[in-house]
Amino acid sequence: ETGVTQSPTHLIKTRGQQVTLRCSSQSGHNTVSWYQQALGQGPQFIFQYYREEENGRGNFPPRFSGLQFPNYSSELNVNALELDDSALYLCASSYRDPSGYEQFFGPGTRLTVL
Amino acid sequence: AQKITQTQPGMFVQEKEAVTLDCTYDTSDPSYGLFWYKQPSSGEMIFLIYQGSYDQQNATEGRYSLNFQKARKSANLVISASQLGDSAMYFCAMRATSGTYKYIFGTGTRLKVLA
Repeated sequence: ETGVTQSPTHLIKTRGQQVTLRCSSQSGHNTVSWYQQALGQGPQFIFQYYREEENGRGNFPPRFSGLQFPNYSSELNVNALELDDSALYLCASSYRDPSGYEQFFGPGTRLTVL
Repeated sequence: AQKITQTQPGMFVQEKEAVTLDCTYDTSDPSYGLFWYKQPSSGEMIFLIYQGSYDQQNATEGRYSLNFQKARKSANLVISASQLGDSAMYFCAMRATSGTYKYIFGTGTRLKVLA
């Protein structure tokens, strides 16, 4: 069983640029969630995709957007990067059903904005 | 609004001793799940244990147990027989069992196991 993978591992961008982060969900999972984890903080929910549609969003501006593809992999796009966007971005996949509860996290992408 | 509170920024424990990491939560959802994750310095979130709000018994997974007190809205993690490899950040999280299924995380507790 292949786990959740994310690419790239590390990324350095400058303020104002755009970035795309990628996530491959665990086999059989149909839901992907994205989290931002600033240094020394807990992960903050950005949004979730279920069957290719956004299904819930946290308190993040519209310049954070995403996609989920038919194979359930996902992208997180951030436009007009700001210094405060520097963080670890975590992707988590799960199988959504009423009894399902566990999210499996990827290793994260560490984004640095200069 | 849902909220998770972890009041211990850092904890020390002697190897082979037990340690309790505190977590309180707030939610108006009648049904929810509570989780603990371990995050080593590598950054990956490792699932430790889960407790459903309607579960009658406290969850246990090996050396991990969850002390669930619903009336007090607390879900403390107990690690027995601590090992040096247990040194990491520990996060308590809550998930509603309806709607977006999003997770709300606490701010974490950094545990250091001493030899």
